[in-house]
Amino acid sequence: ILNVEQSPQSLHVQEGDSTNFTCSFPSSNFYALHWYRWETAKSPEALFVMTLNGDEKKKGRISATLNTKEGYSYLYIKGSQPEDSATYLCALPAQGGSEKLVFGKGTKLTVNP
Amino acid sequence: DAGVIQSPRHEVTEMGQEVTLRCKPISGHDYLFWYRQTMMRGLELLIYFNNNVPIDDSGMPEDRFSAKMPNASFSTLKIQPSEPRDSAVYFCASSLASPISYEQYFGPGTRLTVT
Repeated sequence: ILNVEQSPQSLHVQEGDSTNFTCSFPSSNFYALHWYRWETAKSPEALFVMTLNGDEKKKGRISATLNTKEGYSYLYIKGSQPEDSATYLCALPAQGGSEKLVFGKGTKLTVNP
Repeated sequence: DAGVIQSPRHEVTEMGQEVTLRCKPISGHDYLFWYRQTMMRGLELLIYFNNNVPIDDSGMPEDRFSAKMPNASFSTLKIQPSEPRDSAVYFCASSLASPISYEQYFGPGTRLTVT
């Protein structure tokens, strides 16, 4: 079973701080990586789908990079706001070209006003 | 589109009872997924369908769980008989095409409590 590691498990920052966290995965047989944002009492919401080494994606103050050769992706949030408080999940296909996504346990971000 | 619709939003039932969870995917989406979220295991895929056909049910915990998709706009997840350890939030999600390249859209979830 694919091992998707996310770190840190949780993170507390002050409003206005920039922050980043990591998703690590086996670098062999990479197909795609998904990032989701999951607010408490809501459902996961897609942020990015990344497929190419060196990919960079951006949505507002949130951006992500991908390094498939070394097996990691970074998610960055610039100027964190309280509404960014959520759990951020990454997911990858279970193996090879499998369409079954395996989710990491997530990084829980709390932004204090 | 209204997004993925799930019902009921909350279900409380007694051990041994049959539970049926319902999902309406986004119109035009070819893939439908059933997930279960627990504190211990996080978000795990139970089963997924492509064009109404079950493709991978390896995540279904045991024979007490079954899922159907009789048409493109409706799916059910049934637990019979239910047990307290089935208590979790069950999410349905859909995607336009292969989830390798396309994001999944999640419904609001059904919180199941089995007493």
